Amino acid sequence: ETGVTQSPTHLIKTRGQQVTLRCSSQSGHNTVSWYQQALGQGPQFIFQYYREEENGRGNFPPRFSGLQFPNYSSELNVNALELDDSALYLCASSHPTTGEQYFGPGTRLTVT
Amino acid sequence: TQLLEQSPQFLSIQEGENLTVYCNSSSVFSSLQWYRQEPGEGPVLLVTVVTGGEVKKLKRLTFQFGDARKDSSLHITAAQPGDTGLYLCAGDYGAGSYQLTFGKGTKLSVIP
Repeated sequence: ETGVTQSPTHLIKTRGQQVTLRCSSQSGHNTVSWYQQALGQGPQFIFQYYREEENGRGNFPPRFSGLQFPNYSSELNVNALELDDSALYLCASSHPTTGEQYFGPGTRLTVT
Repeated sequence: TQLLEQSPQFLSIQEGENLTVYCNSSSVFSSLQWYRQEPGEGPVLLVTVVTGGEVKKLKRLTFQFGDARKDSSLHITAAQPGDTGLYLCAGDYGAGSYQLTFGKGTKLSVIP
């Protein structure tokens, strides 16, 4: 069984640019959540998708948006990048019965 | 805003020593999860606790959920260098919403 995968591994962008991060959920997991982890901090919940619909959002501005596809994979889009957006972006898929979340390895985004 | 506080923030101990990490909130958790994270990687789920007063053991790790479901602890017996990492607790406050609030983590270093 394949775990949660994310791409790309690392990314360097310039302030003001846009970025798309991708996540493939674990087989059978129809809920995907995205988190932002700044250096030295715990992950912060961005939003969650369930069956292609947004199912909850944390305290992040609208320039953070997402999509979920019929195969339950997901994208995180960030527009008008700011220096503070530099972080590790984590995707997690939830076990359909227990709700336990399993994380991917993350995408390290650096904004210069 | 629901806050989840972990202590201590940093812990450096000798191999063979015991340690306890604490996780506290003013709000009741629907469930609580403990994760371990290595640098540059995603968090790995260690355990989920759901019932107040619950105790779970994972080899040398013992997890306890408070009776009121507002706090939890992780105790490691005879720590080994392989236990080194960032330990994160994460609470689900919302009746199975699967949207986790994380603490800032406890960075553990076990010195051989």
